[in-house]
Amino acid sequence: AQSVTQPDIHITVSEGASLELRCNYSYGATPYLFWYVQSPGQGLQLLLKYFSGDTLVQGIKGFEAEFKRSQSSFNLRKPSVHWSDAAEYFCAVGPYSSASKIIFGSGTRLSIRP
Amino acid sequence: NAGVTQTPKFRILKIGQSMTLQCTQDMNHNYMYWYRQDPGMGLKLIYYSVGAGITDKGEVPNGYNVSRSTTEDFPLRLELAAPSQTSVYFCASSYTDRSNQPQHFGDGTRLSIL
Repeated sequence: AQSVTQPDIHITVSEGASLELRCNYSYGATPYLFWYVQSPGQGLQLLLKYFSGDTLVQGIKGFEAEFKRSQSSFNLRKPSVHWSDAAEYFCAVGPYSSASKIIFGSGTRLSIRP
Repeated sequence: NAGVTQTPKFRILKIGQSMTLQCTQDMNHNYMYWYRQDPGMGLKLIYYSVGAGITDKGEVPNGYNVSRSTTEDFPLRLELAAPSQTSVYFCASSYTDRSNQPQHFGDGTRLSIL
């Protein structure tokens, strides 16, 4: 079955500390992988995506993610978080051919400690 | 730029009532989507449309109807509201259905059925 697992429901990190949000997926075909951010009261915004090529992908707002095929993972990282990074983060997987078939994970809520 | 606009932002309905969630986009996108987001869950696709006059079911279409008479508008209708439909609803649009094209999300409609 195709699925996306975000094992951490809620993470708190101190401002200026590094961040890693975990994402594992199960997908039968070549996956297209995404990370979205949802700020309070707003819709989802695409941070980055990966389909092929360099397994380390750079996104907006200083985020990056690394695709590890052997571990079926696509973890999101940021070297130094800012208070404005507090939000909900969603990992998603789908086929290249159809965005209507994208599967979203259940999300990780990030809180920033001053 | 307006992007994707959803109205209303909040609504409380009684069981059995009906309502229409409005969604309009000004980017001339062919593809539009309706998702629901339940607490602790990722987004689930309700319906989507590939252009005016064409709609198709997503993963969780039961209890909902859609129409697409224009490129800009994609309303979602609840005919007989049930408590299970309490959720946050997001509308999104994209230029194509290819996963390399980002989906643009509205800010959501928070709906409670009591």
